[in-house]
Amino acid sequence: DTGVSQDPRHKITKRGQNVTFRCDPISEHNRLYWYRQTLGQGPEFLTYFQNEAQLEKSRLLSDRFSAERPKGSFSTLEIQRTEQGDSAMYLCASSGTGISYEQYFGPGTRLTVT
Amino acid sequence: AQSVTQLDSQVPVFEEAPVELRCNYSSSVSVYLFWYVQYPNQGLQLLLKYLSGSTLVKGINGFEAEFNKSQTSFHLRKPSVHISDTAEYFCAVSAVGNAGNMLTFGGGTRLMVKP
Repeated sequence: DTGVSQDPRHKITKRGQNVTFRCDPISEHNRLYWYRQTLGQGPEFLTYFQNEAQLEKSRLLSDRFSAERPKGSFSTLEIQRTEQGDSAMYLCASSGTGISYEQYFGPGTRLTVT
Repeated sequence: AQSVTQLDSQVPVFEEAPVELRCNYSSSVSVYLFWYVQYPNQGLQLLLKYLSGSTLVKGINGFEAEFNKSQTSFHLRKPSVHISDTAEYFCAVSAVGNAGNMLTFGGGTRLMVKP
């Protein structure tokens, strides 16, 4: 068990560019979550998948954001036409099904939009 | 909807002293409660959780928390802190019956342990 991994760890982009982040969950976990954490704040829920199905999306997830989890394995989060307000840490977590299952978090991808 | 308030953004404390990090929540439904710790450049790690049963919950690294339903609080305590406890601590809730178990976090408390 190597834990949840995220790539890249840091991304600097210019406003208006598209960016894509990847998350590899713990292999036996069927749930995968994306959260966003801005400086000095706690993480905020964005979306989650159970296997390949995206079951819930937060109102924070504007139409410039899209997430996928093909084949129920890794997931990607794409942000189109980035804005300075998108600058944040994007966290991925995975878990088994059920409340007794802990969400394991990855180290995050820090996005800076200039 | 749920909300979580962590009343102290920073808590300085001397090594080997006791510490309490405060957490209050608001929810129209019953919730599960969690404390996570975030060390620099690392992901969040679960310290402890309350799902049901005894309101005093013990976690890793000598931390414990007590669920108080009437005061809607879930304060985190440690009787004697170490330098290595310096980190950001987040309180979180998840609504009972929510199929996705999404977490709602507080703003965090930075614990600074001084020698």
